[in-house]
Amino acid sequence: GQSLEQPSEVTAVEGAIVQINCTYQTSGFYGLSWYQQHDGGAPTFLSYNALDGLEETGRFSSFLSRSDSYGYLLLQELQMKDSASYFCAVSLPSGSARQLTFGSGTQLTVLP
Amino acid sequence: DSGVTQTPKHLITATGQRVTLRCSPRSGDLSVYWYQQSLDQGLQFLIQYYNGEERAKGNILERFSAQQFPDLHSELNLSSLELGDSALYFCASSVGGGRAYTDTQYFGPGTRLTVL
Repeated sequence: GQSLEQPSEVTAVEGAIVQINCTYQTSGFYGLSWYQQHDGGAPTFLSYNALDGLEETGRFSSFLSRSDSYGYLLLQELQMKDSASYFCAVSLPSGSARQLTFGSGTQLTVLP
Repeated sequence: DSGVTQTPKHLITATGQRVTLRCSPRSGDLSVYWYQQSLDQGLQFLIQYYNGEERAKGNILERFSAQQFPDLHSELNLSSLELGDSALYFCASSVGGGRAYTDTQYFGPGTRLTVL
């Protein structure tokens, strides 16, 4: 089966930089995605890495290394509104389409 | 606002009952996905429809079924409900739906189901 591991909780202060790691035990996946979810809210797409390397979108960057079975989400210039859960997800073949398999999520708390 | 709508927002029912959750995708999106999120858990993929046809199936229980209608809205039917079915149920949509498609799924606000 597939499994993705993320830290359950991360705490950082406003203005800081935080890295949320995602390690996985799967192969044959198309890419690694990151989603943000505020309490009780809808998950929102942040980033997608199809290839190894760094993808940058504003204050958020995501990295993938297939050889190391590892990825991370980097959040810079943290703001209070970044307090949320962050999920990594691998995209796997399923039927005639793809299926997202999510990690258990990392709860990020940003302190003033 | 992602453009994906789900109704109802909250649903409270009893064990053994049957409920239907509804989802309307973003305008132009052909794929609809259903996910279950239990308390403090990640998102579990249930099923995907693309333009009315089932495309992918996850860990969906036999008591659960879904369909996508010609107007592209989708319904998730949950029957013989158990206490453990209490969860947030999310619908997501995307433009494409095949293996060649790079994922960006847009999630609706979810339906919170409570089974008493």
